[in-house]
Amino acid sequence: EDKVVQSPLSLVVHEGDTVTLNCSYEVTNFRSLLWYKQEKKAPTFLFMLTSSGIEKKSGRLSSILDKKELFSILNITATQTGDSAVYLCAGTIMDSNYQLIWGAGTKLIIKP
Amino acid sequence: GAVVSQHPSWVICKSGTSVKIECRSLDFQATTMFWYRQFPKQSLMLMATSNEGSKATYEQGVEKDKFLINHASLTLSTLTVTSAHPEDSSFYICSASPGLAGGSRTQYFGPGTRLTVL
Repeated sequence: EDKVVQSPLSLVVHEGDTVTLNCSYEVTNFRSLLWYKQEKKAPTFLFMLTSSGIEKKSGRLSSILDKKELFSILNITATQTGDSAVYLCAGTIMDSNYQLIWGAGTKLIIKP
Repeated sequence: GAVVSQHPSWVICKSGTSVKIECRSLDFQATTMFWYRQFPKQSLMLMATSNEGSKATYEQGVEKDKFLINHASLTLSTLTVTSAHPEDSSFYICSASPGLAGGSRTQYFGPGTRLTVL
């Protein structure tokens, strides 16, 4: 059965800290891994990763995929209170079905 | 780019009435649209996948006669909750994907619709 596992489930850090969120996957015919940020409303897209070892970066956020070890990490440097959210990762599969295999999410709380 | 809107953002209705939620891709054509629901503090649950011009594919346990999905164009999908009951109260979220023709299978999410059934 396809599955995506995120860790930790929840994380509380102080503003300015750097955090690393983990996502491991077991997805048959894996195509790509997606990261989303969900605050009070619907998820917002962060990154799509398809190739191993190529870091994607957006401001203080960066992410990388390891297709050999079947995991991805999302790094946030110099965290701010606005980074508080649930971070979701999801795997996609190589066929005509666009369904996402979701992880349960990591709840990140940034304390001022 | 890749903006998805939903309407309404919040609706309260009486038990037994039907509610229609619209999902629009504003700046791209969406080959495929998805409908999710999310209960408080829980993960997103996929309800159905719809391709433009064809019938939606429902996930196991989702009643297709209760949750009617219409994907009439490449920019619009609607979800109608028929004869809504309090247990249907939830946060309904749509997403849209440009698909391979549009260069990406990434799903872009709408802001969600909070449905409260009294």
